[in-house]
Amino acid sequence: EDKVVQSPLSLVVHEGDTVTLNCSYEVTNFRSLLWYKQEKKAPTFLFMLTSSGIEKKSGRLSSILDKKELFSILNITATQTGDSAVYLCGYSGAGSYQLTFGKGTKLSVIP
Amino acid sequence: DTGVSQDPRHKITKRGQNVTFRCDPISEHNRLYWYRQTLGQGPEFLTYFQNEAQLEKSRLLSDRFSAERPKGSFSTLEIQRTEQGDSAMYLCASSSGLAGGRNEQFFGPGTRLTVL
Repeated sequence: EDKVVQSPLSLVVHEGDTVTLNCSYEVTNFRSLLWYKQEKKAPTFLFMLTSSGIEKKSGRLSSILDKKELFSILNITATQTGDSAVYLCGYSGAGSYQLTFGKGTKLSVIP
Repeated sequence: DTGVSQDPRHKITKRGQNVTFRCDPISEHNRLYWYRQTLGQGPEFLTYFQNEAQLEKSRLLSDRFSAERPKGSFSTLEIQRTEQGDSAMYLCASSSGLAGGRNEQFFGPGTRLTVL
């Protein structure tokens, strides 16, 4: 069964658009939720969230966590073609350091 | 470059052969992880080391898979009697193991295995 569900699975937008990527998860003892960007290579770390309502920001990217409703969103404003990638969401539970990932959202930004 | 490195980057082998991959983590990172990723899927956890101790192993890790981290630095992942279903990207990651539960894992470039 999927413990991390990302939506949508794929998305095509035009440059300059704003996108919201969704991640819902099921875990009994939550520790942290992480977002990664994966181009045609290894995942690159974006954010780690541990507390509800705390929004992380890095340039045009931001992310927020809702621990009560068990979801997180990743926002990208003013998208650029360089944002085209697969965005992965994963969590770690208390007592374990492994990350459990969703299938990712494939974002394509066209000029 | 002080990131995670993996060798080789690509490996093509025939079914039934043994293969070994190497991972060098970020220096001073005491936690090291192996994941496997197939097309259209997120990375799947295989195993985790803290220093030289292998502390977690996934149920996915059959007895044909073995991993070591003998001196708490680099790690090797060996697959014996490879099968076509082993074809995947094998990713290594490391994290610093800071107190407080932070678990930012930094990934290497991966080894792409193709079993013919």
